[in-house]
Amino acid sequence: VQVVESGGGLVQPGGSLRLSCSASKFTFSDYYMSWVRQAPGKGLEWVSYISSSGTTIYDADSVKGRFTISRDNAKNSLYLQMNSLRADDTAVYYCARVSRAINLETAHYYNYMDVWGIGTMVTVSS
Amino acid sequence: DIQMTQSPSSLSASVGDKVTITCRASQSISRFLNWFQQKPGKAPKLLIYAASRFQSGVPSRFSGSGSGTDFSLTISSLQPEDFGTYFCQQSYTTPWTFGQGTKVEIK
Repeated sequence: VQVVESGGGLVQPGGSLRLSCSASKFTFSDYYMSWVRQAPGKGLEWVSYISSSGTTIYDADSVKGRFTISRDNAKNSLYLQMNSLRADDTAVYYCARVSRAINLETAHYYNYMDVWGIGTMVTVSS
Repeated sequence: DIQMTQSPSSLSASVGDKVTITCRASQSISRFLNWFQQKPGKAPKLLIYAASRFQSGVPSRFSGSGSGTDFSLTISSLQPEDFGTYFCQQSYTTPWTFGQGTKVEIK
């Protein structure tokens, strides 16, 4: 079971970049997926997640309107289109599988990120 | 947004010690709390989900407890390979948020 990110690199402020995440050894279309980033020397920041069908999407306020998460279940792939990039978007971007466990008492789902890629570095600088 | 506050920010302990890291949420999150371990230059690794459920393959010396706003991760007998930074994360509501991390060093 693994996910592998690609597409990172150096981009100028205001530029765009598209990250990809390729999944293998699990039924990709059954799982929600997420992007999490980590600026150099800093903590973890959740960026976005997408439901298994792609119909439900949530984004962090810091990227809303600039980043778009999407998926292609036929290609077992997750994407993050990043536009209007800023210096503070510089980070390692991780793709993560989201597993869900139901609480039978409340019928709520616990979501947890259980499979992570090694990350891809995005540097926004002139 | 729900703020997650971990304590301590760092600790140094000896092999065999019992170590406890706490995480406090700014509002009740029931048991929607996950714990991760991250080693330098590596991706985070899930240890505990739903506050106390063990992720497959994680050593039994790791355990989680708590509900509402107060949670803890305990390492019952610290091992040399347990160095790294530990993060809590709430999945009660978006935006999902992480604690600032607790760096664990081996004396």
